[in-house]
Amino acid sequence: DTAVSQTPKYLVTQMGNDKSIKCEQNLGHDTMYWYKQDSKKFLKIMFSYNNKELIINETVPNRFSPKSPDKAHLNLHINSLELGDSAVYFCASSQSPIGYTFGSGTRLTVV
Amino acid sequence: AQSVTQLGSHVSVSEGALVLLRCNYSSSVPPYLFWYVQYPNQGLQLLLKYTSAATLVKGINGFEAEFKKSETSFHLTKPSAHMSDAAEYFCAVSEGQGAQKLVFGQGTRLTINP
Repeated sequence: DTAVSQTPKYLVTQMGNDKSIKCEQNLGHDTMYWYKQDSKKFLKIMFSYNNKELIINETVPNRFSPKSPDKAHLNLHINSLELGDSAVYFCASSQSPIGYTFGSGTRLTVV
Repeated sequence: AQSVTQLGSHVSVSEGALVLLRCNYSSSVPPYLFWYVQYPNQGLQLLLKYTSAATLVKGINGFEAEFKKSETSFHLTKPSAHMSDAAEYFCAVSEGQGAQKLVFGQGTRLTINP
């Protein structure tokens, strides 16, 4: 199936831990993104990579570090997790502004 | 800077009634506009998009939206609501060609009453 796939789907961890979320797309898109959906369902872009190059970084704390080993993968590493990091994180990819495909999300709970 | 305002965080309609979800946008250049639907514990699914072609856009599941530049609006409608339409709906804007970022509204939860 052509898709954007994220792992894990659920992640429960303690404050202070470091965790990673992985994302892969097999759509051949050049651009990948991370979006955060908070507890009030508000969606906001965090990062965007185009062909492995960072092009958008929306004032995200530097505890969050995206890594794109190739244009089909965009991982998100989070250091020193805080309670406020609890959210649903969506990966997405696009070839243009009109061709976004979202992953199914990773629900991160920090306890 | 772009922004999107969705009027009404919660809309409730009866099954078979008209669905109207309101979206107003702000953009300094001709925008691309989108409606997404999110079912509980699922990802975002594209309902429809406006990309400067026809101002009346038809999408999946019987939804449509009309781009009105003079009103800076992109309201979503469906003539007859179905129970399966219950979900969260998001309007989003992108500043056209070359601009890859989507800016979302705060979402509208649609409830369908039997």
